Amino acid sequence: QVQLVESGGGVVQPGGSLRLSCAASGFTFTTYGMHWVRQAPGKGLEWVAFIRNDGDKKFYADSVKGRFTISRDNSKNILYLQMNSLRAEDTAVYYCAKERVDSGSYFDYWGQGTLVTVSS
Amino acid sequence: QAGLTQPPSVSKGLRQTATLTCTGNSNNVGNQGAGWLQQRQGHPPKLVSYRNNNRPSGISERFSASRSGNTASLTITGLQPEDEADYYCSAWDSSLSAWVFGGGTKVTVL
Repeated sequence: QVQLVESGGGVVQPGGSLRLSCAASGFTFTTYGMHWVRQAPGKGLEWVAFIRNDGDKKFYADSVKGRFTISRDNSKNILYLQMNSLRAEDTAVYYCAKERVDSGSYFDYWGQGTLVTVSS
Repeated sequence: QAGLTQPPSVSKGLRQTATLTCTGNSNNVGNQGAGWLQQRQGHPPKLVSYRNNNRPSGISERFSASRSGNTASLTITGLQPEDEADYYCSAWDSSLSAWVFGGGTKVTVL
């Protein structure tokens, strides 16, 4: 069965950096695009970034463009999110999600999430 | 980035029918349709419908979706206590080159 396990969250000061990881199993990782989506405490879902299956195409939300970098290691089945210049408003649970493509692009399976808290 | 519009809450009785709406524009919902996600309290989201009216395996037939123009809808028939959750719609926006979500609709089963 599909499993996505995020790690790397924690408490970081404003302006700091953090790298999140998402270990994938139960499906052919190299076939699917992957997303990062975040959810601030008590708030709705916000899409953060997407990477195509081959890693050659990436998209970012305006709110993180230039600060966050999505990447993947297809030899290890791991998705990453490098987060720099962190701000208080980046505080959220960060989820990785597998893409489902079927005449459109959708969010298929999700991990349990990892909490990032940006605070001094 | 502009998101999709959902009503904040819907309340219906046990075994009744709830219809949730998601309004976008011709660049997102009106283009490739919407996906629907269910998020129960304390859990990650789960896909319940995609490409307007397809259900992933394991999702109850009580969930059905449709689209009319720039508005997508999710209908839950025979409401059960376990259907209490937040429901989010999502779509790819071709003009923004980004995915967008609705603000979510909280479904309460009375």
